[in-house]
Amino acid sequence: GENVEQHPSTLSVQEGDSAVIKCTYSDSASNYFPWYKQELGKRPQLIIDIRSNVGEKKDQRIAVTLNKTAKHFSLHITETQPEDSAVYFCAASMAGGTSYGKLTFGQGTILTVHP
Amino acid sequence: GAVVSQHPSWVICKSGTSVKIECRSLDFQATTMFWYRQFPKQSLMLMATSNEGSKATYEQGVEKDKFLINHASLTLSTLTVTSAHPEDSSFYICSAAVAGLDTQYFGPGTRLTVL
Repeated sequence: GENVEQHPSTLSVQEGDSAVIKCTYSDSASNYFPWYKQELGKRPQLIIDIRSNVGEKKDQRIAVTLNKTAKHFSLHITETQPEDSAVYFCAASMAGGTSYGKLTFGQGTILTVHP
Repeated sequence: GAVVSQHPSWVICKSGTSVKIECRSLDFQATTMFWYRQFPKQSLMLMATSNEGSKATYEQGVEKDKFLINHASLTLSTLTVTSAHPEDSSFYICSAAVAGLDTQYFGPGTRLTVL
């Protein structure tokens, strides 16, 4: 099955700096890569996603890049703010077949933005 | 739109009892619902996938007789933890998806504590 590795496990930045979180996946058939933000005790919230036919996607301060050949994708947050502090998870899934829609999550990154 | 609710939000029970958790899609019909378990400071682990009107598909290592899943309608799935034990204490999160679409919408989670 799919295996997703996420790094770093913790990331501490100063307000205004950029933050980058990286993930690698093992199954070349995966074609959907969402990123979630989870605050303590709450549900994961989708912040951005990318499909395998796209190399980069941006939404205001958040961007995601995908390298299908290397099987890795990254989350970039610019101009970080204290409210960005949370746990971030990457995930991968593939459409079609019996695995359709199944998300495999990375281990998570605890992002702390210091004022 | 795309709101998923869970009930209860938290539950405390005695060892040996059974607990039922409901997952509802409030404003859309979910052809597929997923159940995840999340231990403290860990990632989300998929337990099972359920399609309306079909038997759930369990992930390797998840006991189907202990975690009973019913997906009787396009808006409701239930997870019953039977004969719960302290090691079953966890945060249980459901998500709902529509056939043909990648995005999963997560419920707010249920905190189960087994004494």
